[in-house]
Amino acid sequence: EVQLVESGGGLVKPGGSLRLSCAASGFTFSTYTMNWVRQAPGKGLEWVSSVVSSGSDVHYADSVKGRFTISRDNAKNSLYLQMNSLRAEDTAMYYCARDGYGDHFEHWGQGTLVTVSS
Amino acid sequence: DVVMTQSPLSLPVTLGQPASISCRSSQSLVHSDGNTYLNWFQQRPGQSPRRLIYKVSNRDSGVPDRFSGSGSGTDFTLKISRVEAEDVGVYYCMQGTHWITFGQGTRLETK
Repeated sequence: EVQLVESGGGLVKPGGSLRLSCAASGFTFSTYTMNWVRQAPGKGLEWVSSVVSSGSDVHYADSVKGRFTISRDNAKNSLYLQMNSLRAEDTAMYYCARDGYGDHFEHWGQGTLVTVSS
Repeated sequence: DVVMTQSPLSLPVTLGQPASISCRSSQSLVHSDGNTYLNWFQQRPGQSPRRLIYKVSNRDSGVPDRFSGSGSGTDFTLKISRVEAEDVGVYYCMQGTHWITFGQGTRLETK
């Protein structure tokens, strides 16, 4: 069974940093593209970032480019999101999502909540 | 960016009756590889999103066959043949042809 478990969320002040983690199990992690998707309270879904299976290619939404860094450790079956220069508008539930082969967001984690507030 | 526009945004439905959600994209979703990367997701209250349909009309494993997807180019539809109580939630379309964008969501509720 595919499992994705996010952690690392919490309350942080504007301008601060946070590192999210996603622990994967139940599949061969190193062969899938992985993603972060967020959802502000009461709002819709917003794609944040993606990393291909090898980690060699990454992509970001314009809203986080230059501030967030996605990475993965295939030996540890883990996905990460380093978030710097956080803003109030980054407040959201952050979901880890695994692609399928040739399709997007087949499996989702339960999410970790990030709150940016002074 | 490709804009995804869903309608209606709110959909009150009587249990046992059909429901239909429209999703339109600001440009064609046909990829250069010939695929159309249009997915549908369901988010029940308090839960994570769950993918229902991928590449327009392919149902994910475990998804009841009362859910179906159709469409082409810029116009797509999610249909529920007979709404059940467990279908209450928000439904999102998503395109993955030109990077990734989601629709605003359609809230399905029972009358």
